[in-house]
Amino acid sequence: GESVGLHLPTLSVQEGDNSIINCAYSNSASDYFIWYKQESGKGPQFIIDIRSNMDKRQGQRVTVLLNKTVKHLSLQIAATQPGDSAVYFCADQSTSYGKLTFGQGTILTVHP
Amino acid sequence: DTAVSQTPKYLVTQMGNDKSIKCEQNLGHDTMYWYKQDSKKFLKIMFSYNNKELIINETVPNRFSPKSPDKAHLNLHINSLELGDSAVYFCASSRTNQETQYFGPGTRLLVL
Repeated sequence: GESVGLHLPTLSVQEGDNSIINCAYSNSASDYFIWYKQESGKGPQFIIDIRSNMDKRQGQRVTVLLNKTVKHLSLQIAATQPGDSAVYFCADQSTSYGKLTFGQGTILTVHP
Repeated sequence: DTAVSQTPKYLVTQMGNDKSIKCEQNLGHDTMYWYKQDSKKFLKIMFSYNNKELIINETVPNRFSPKSPDKAHLNLHINSLELGDSAVYFCASSRTNQETQYFGPGTRLLVL
């Protein structure tokens, strides 16, 4: 299957559960963070973002938490649905030229 | 209605050939990007153009040459294709280089 040999972190949940996907970043100067969802055969799709002057931001069923002290970002998905199955990437965007640096990705599988 | 479009979606070619991938965005954005995603799903920026001017060039071999004929288009020409060029190439755009990037559907390049 598609995931063979990828060695990405994986998270398997049951439909209706809450999911938490974690990400660490290394650049202390980063001030803009984004979560992307990539479904099989498609491009990354924007989910939610957060700037460094905030530590929490909520969207529809999604929440992003930012802990600048330990350089950690998390994405919480409430009431996870099968359509949420995808690879999730965190990214930080350079303040100077807009360069996006992506994390390695996490495969989320939601079982009905 | 497609915001960021790429052609072709699939490209299979022989080593040593020269090929081009095209990208168009109809969002009125000023900044466009090319990213490469390898077989392990790792996404890395290659180039960025702001108002038709190159602003990011991430140590990409000079066989890769981006060209931006206008703000809505950013094409990628690759000379003397190598096996290691096989990957998925994503175009993205953003209103400015400080704002959210939106990705195209990708071009799957296979070099034989």
